[in-house]
Amino acid sequence: DAGVTQSPTHLIKTRGQQVTLRCSPKSGHDTVSWYQQALGQGPQFIFQYYEEEERQRGNFPDRFSGHQFPNYSSELNVNALLLGDSALYLCASSLGPKGAAEAFFGQGTRLTVV
Amino acid sequence: AQSVTQPDIHITVSEGASLELRCNYSYGATPYLFWYVQSPGQGLQLLLKYFSGDTLVQGIKGFEAEFKRSQSSFNLRKPSVHWSDAAEYFCAVGVSGGSYIPTFGRGTSLIVHP
Repeated sequence: DAGVTQSPTHLIKTRGQQVTLRCSPKSGHDTVSWYQQALGQGPQFIFQYYEEEERQRGNFPDRFSGHQFPNYSSELNVNALLLGDSALYLCASSLGPKGAAEAFFGQGTRLTVV
Repeated sequence: AQSVTQPDIHITVSEGASLELRCNYSYGATPYLFWYVQSPGQGLQLLLKYFSGDTLVQGIKGFEAEFKRSQSSFNLRKPSVHWSDAAEYFCAVGVSGGSYIPTFGRGTSLIVHP
């Protein structure tokens, strides 16, 4: 079992650019949640996808959007990047939305905006 | 809204010594409570969880935590720390019957001296 896999591992982008991060959930999981972890902070919930729809959303602007595919994998898109978007982006998968608190986390994508 | 406070940003212990990491939560009803560990360059791993019942919860890697409603606390303990326990530890609270999305504290960095 490969667990939750995220790609790429690291990414450097310029302000104003757009970025797409990818996540493959743990085998058997159908729900994907995305978190942003700024340096020295705990993860903050961005949104959750289940049955290819955004089910819940945290306090993040519309520049943050996502998608879930029929195979349950997911993408996180961020438009018009700001320096403050630099962070570790974590993907977590679970079996159903109610499993979100016991989700399995990927190793994350480190995004640096310059 | 629920919140979590981890009052200690850094904790330093000697290998073999006991450990207690503090966590206080704010929520009106009985919360779900969690402790996660994040090793350098890794995602989060669930150490233990409290939903209901016995207030002393056993987790993986020899950790335990005690839920104290009167103190709104959920402190993490380990009787003898190993050098491999050096990591970032996050306490999180989830809302029972709610969104199930955990709200994380800012974390406590554990440093282990040989």
